[in-house]
Amino acid sequence: GENVEQHPSTLSVQEGDSAVIKCTYSDSASNYFPWYKQELGKRPQLIIDIRSNVGEKKDQRIAVTLNKTAKHFSLHITETQPEDSAVYFCAAGNDYKLSFGAGTTVTVRA
Amino acid sequence: DTEVTQTPKHLVMGMTNKKSLKCEQHMGHRAMYWYKQKAKKPPELMFVYSYEKLSINESVPSRFSPECPNSSLLNLHLHALQPEDSALYLCASSQEGQQNTGELFFGEGSRLTVL
Repeated sequence: GENVEQHPSTLSVQEGDSAVIKCTYSDSASNYFPWYKQELGKRPQLIIDIRSNVGEKKDQRIAVTLNKTAKHFSLHITETQPEDSAVYFCAAGNDYKLSFGAGTTVTVRA
Repeated sequence: DTEVTQTPKHLVMGMTNKKSLKCEQHMGHRAMYWYKQKAKKPPELMFVYSYEKLSINESVPSRFSPECPNSSLLNLHLHALQPEDSALYLCASSQEGQQNTGELFFGEGSRLTVL
């Protein structure tokens, strides 16, 4: 099955700086790569996703890049704000099955 | 309505009890999921229903029994659980397979404690 590794496990950034989270996956059949944000006590919420036929996608301060050859994808958050503090999960899969990375706890310092 | 609603929000049960978790969505989604999430861990897929048929069972112990009465409802029946089954149980839905239609909508979860 799919194995997703996520780094780093914790990330502390100064407000206004950028944050980068990296994930690798093992199954070359995976073709869907979403990122979820989960605040304490809340549900995971999709923040951005990318499919295997696209190399990069951007939505305001958030961008995701995908390198299918190397089997890795990354989340970039620019101009971080305190409300960006949360746990971020990457995931990889296809159709109905998603495997999640272990998560990155992001803390934005004011 | 873009919500997935789960009840109850909290449940405490003994190892000999029988209880059920319920999930409802009115977005017309045809795929519904149960995930289990332990503290500080990622969600783990348990079951997937597609068009009201069980399509994926991730080798979940039989003490967890899913049911999809109709396209809007998903239940998880619990019986003879163990303390290690204590976790947040998340229901989710998507329009169809994620490859085709994208976003997985999660409910707020049912926090289960097994004594």
